[in-house]
Amino acid sequence: EVQLVESGGGLVQPGRSLKLSCAASGFTFSDYAMAWVRQAPKKGLEWVATIIYDGSSTYYRDSVKGRFTISRDNAKSTLYLQMDSLRSEDTATYYCARHIGVWGQGVMVTVSS
Amino acid sequence: DIVMTQSPSSLAVSAGETVTINCKSSQSLLYSGNQKNYLAWYQQKPGQSPKLLIYWASTRQSGVPDRFIGSGSGTDFTLTISSVQAEDLAIYYCQQYYDTPYTFGAGTKLELK
Repeated sequence: EVQLVESGGGLVQPGRSLKLSCAASGFTFSDYAMAWVRQAPKKGLEWVATIIYDGSSTYYRDSVKGRFTISRDNAKSTLYLQMDSLRSEDTATYYCARHIGVWGQGVMVTVSS
Repeated sequence: DIVMTQSPSSLAVSAGETVTINCKSSQSLLYSGNQKNYLAWYQQKPGQSPKLLIYWASTRQSGVPDRFIGSGSGTDFTLTISSVQAEDLAIYYCQQYYDTPYTFGAGTKLELK
């Protein structure tokens, strides 16, 4: 069974950092591009970043460029999202997703003083 | 950025009805190199993560009931749900993956009449 399990969320102050992880199982992780998508409370879906299968290319939405870094460890079948200089508008549930495929259950990130 | 416009924003239906959800993109999602439309549909039930229903505009994801039908090409796309069941009550999103930033429609909420 394909499974994605996110971890690392929580409450953080503005300007601080947080790192999310996503453990993948049930498929050959290194064959797929992976993404992070977020959803603010009671709002729609917003793509955040994508990394291609081998990690050689990454793509970000403008509002997180320079602050967030997507990365992967194919040996560990794990996807990461390093989030620096967090802002209140980054408050959301963050989903790990296989590119145009299955999604994880999501992890909540709250940025507040 | 490619803007995805969904309509209607909400829809009240009775079980057994057929419903149509529309999604319009601000530019063509048809790539001439492979004649594929880079458009996906997702279903999100309350408290759950989104689930992929349709990709390449009309290809049903494995395990998705055949009452879910995706159609359209270029800039105009449709998700049709025939004989709606109570379990189909959810928010439906279209997403373009033709170009980054990958963008979603605002969602269509399917409710019971």
